[in-house]
Amino acid sequence: SQTIHQWPATLVQPVGSPLSLECTVEGTSNPNLYWYRQAAGRGLQLLFYSVGIGQISSEVPQNLSASRPQDRQFILSSKKLLLSDSGFYLCAWSSGGQGEAFFGQGTRLTVV
Amino acid sequence: DQQVKQNSPSLSVQEGRISILNCDYTNSMFDYFLWYKKYPAEGPTFLISISSIKDKNEDGRFTVFLNKSAKHLSLHIVPSQPGDSAVYFCAASGRNYQLIWGAGTKLIIKP
Repeated sequence: SQTIHQWPATLVQPVGSPLSLECTVEGTSNPNLYWYRQAAGRGLQLLFYSVGIGQISSEVPQNLSASRPQDRQFILSSKKLLLSDSGFYLCAWSSGGQGEAFFGQGTRLTVV
Repeated sequence: DQQVKQNSPSLSVQEGRISILNCDYTNSMFDYFLWYKKYPAEGPTFLISISSIKDKNEDGRFTVFLNKSAKHLSLHIVPSQPGDSAVYFCAASGRNYQLIWGAGTKLIIKP
């Protein structure tokens, strides 16, 4: 069966520090991978998606970047965090087709 | 421009009664719709979906209805149980299989 791992679960970082959130998927190959942020009153905001290794599409220009160094690994990064980067970040995968996505447990990021 | 709208931020329903969560969309090109359930500090979990070629899909206590002419879908939960208390997100499948999300509706089931 397929599983998705996302870590860490919680993270407190100072303003200006770098960020690296990692997500890995097991039990499937060539998944579509997604990074979302849950924003109050706006539902789930798609940040990045990837349909293959090294292929990253950004939906919202901002202080964050994403990379996919391996087929089932998706990394969300920042060189310098802002206070506004605080939030709940979710990684997800899908096999394409009808678009059903499966989510990781999420990371609560607090920038102080 | 919100393509998927959930106009009720919260809904309170008595245990045992029917919960009806609504969702409206604007893009007639959406061909697949999904409902997700989310507990605090957890990732959303898939609940039920419906293809645009259907108008109803049922799975146990959960039924999703789609009205394409009105660009409206709804999720019915019958009977409602305390464990159903959560935030429910409606999503529509767009280009590149991306999901376009509503803002969510917080469902509270009262004992």
